[in-house]
This record gives sequence, structure tokens and C-alpha cells, in this order.
Amino acid sequence: ETGVTQTPRHLVMGMTNKKSLKCEQHLGHNAMYWYKQSAKKPLELMFVYNFKEQTENNSVPSRFSPECPNSSHLFLHLHTLQPEDSALYLCASSPLTGGVYEKLFFGSGTQLSVL
Amino acid sequence: AQSVTQLDSQVPVFEEAPVELRCNYSSSVSVYLFWYVQYPNQGLQLLLKYLSGSTLVESINGFEAEFNKSQTSFHLRKPSVHISDTAEYFCAVSPKGAQKLVFGQGTRLTINP
Repeated sequence: ETGVTQTPRHLVMGMTNKKSLKCEQHLGHNAMYWYKQSAKKPLELMFVYNFKEQTENNSVPSRFSPECPNSSHLFLHLHTLQPEDSALYLCASSPLTGGVYEKLFFGSGTQLSVL
Repeated sequence: AQSVTQLDSQVPVFEEAPVELRCNYSSSVSVYLFWYVQYPNQGLQLLLKYLSGSTLVESINGFEAEFNKSQTSFHLRKPSVHISDTAEYFCAVSPKGAQKLVFGQGTRLTINP
């Protein structure tokens, strides 16, 4: 248990559905991240939030909409996804210690399948 | 920009044999270096890191990695592997001063009895 909890663990959705992924951390961290892990590809950073403010959007399509209501919670709202969006979505958190990723904690991820 | 290359996508070894997982990187600025491990059905966990100082770093479960600046490498080694080391291993770099972590594609380590 890393202190970062993601729900649901598995999600199957159609291309016209709307769903949300949830991430929660109680580590006192001020930065939260969404990563996408596809088969045969490196992990891709999607979004970064520092103190609830989005500081990075790595050219992510608008069908992915993040939300960070407070430093402990992070959501990823999904709508009109494509089959190629099927992947493992990982949430992570870290303290803001000068930009060094020495304390990056990952959740177990949500395995998303888009039909 | 930074990039990370893990030269082997899969490495099968026998239990108690030594193993080396290779990682090379490219960057125009100084970087910090990391190895993460992902056990089946779990998220990534930090295995070890190089920030500064001694170029040889060790983890609590017997892995070690050596930073070689001239060869821009950060290979991961273990002298004797165990079944429980079966996992996917990711090399990553972070430019100093930047809130950014760039991962390699991962190496799947399979331990055979």
C-alpha cells in the first residue's frame, strides 16, 4: 500500500459513455499527476497539479478532463473515448521539493477498456 | 529534451543467477536517475535513485545501479535473483530543477525456477 488509492481498479466503457476515475492520497503531498501506461510504450505524463492548480497538460485530447478539488483528490473525467485510449491510468503524488521526483508515489491504477 | 532507452524489453533468467537490466539516456542538461519496479497488478514503486555523490546506489532488496556519465548509462544489476523479483522495471530521468520524469519503455524480468 503506497498511500495513493485509485478507483475503480477496472473499467469497461463504450465510446459514448461518460465515466470518471478517482485518485486519493493522504500523504500530505501537494503535487498530483495522471500518467497513461499503454502496452509496449513508455509511461506518458498527462497532467500535473500543484497546490490544486494545473501546471502541465501534455497535449492531452479534450476527451480527457482532469479535476483537482483539493490537494488530496484528483479526478479524470472521460467522455467519447476511442478504443486506442484503452490503457492503465496511473495516479501519482509527490511533495514539492524543488522538482526532484525522489518521492513520487503511484497508485495501483485503473485498467480502462474502451469498446 | 530527454529520452530513455531500455535496450531489452524482456529478460528471462534462472533463479539465483545474476541479472543486468540496461538503461541509456540522452539529455542536454544534468539529470537525476531512477529505477522503478512494477509488480503484477500494482502501481510503480521507487527502487533506487541517483541524485548526487557516489555513482553506485543500492536498494534494500539487493539491487544496485551505477551512474556512468561518460556512457550516459544507469544499468541495474543484482548478483542473485529470486522468484519474487519477477516484475517490470522502468528506468527514468528527471532534469534537475524540472518537475518532469521521463520513463523508458520498461524491461520485463522473468525468473525461472
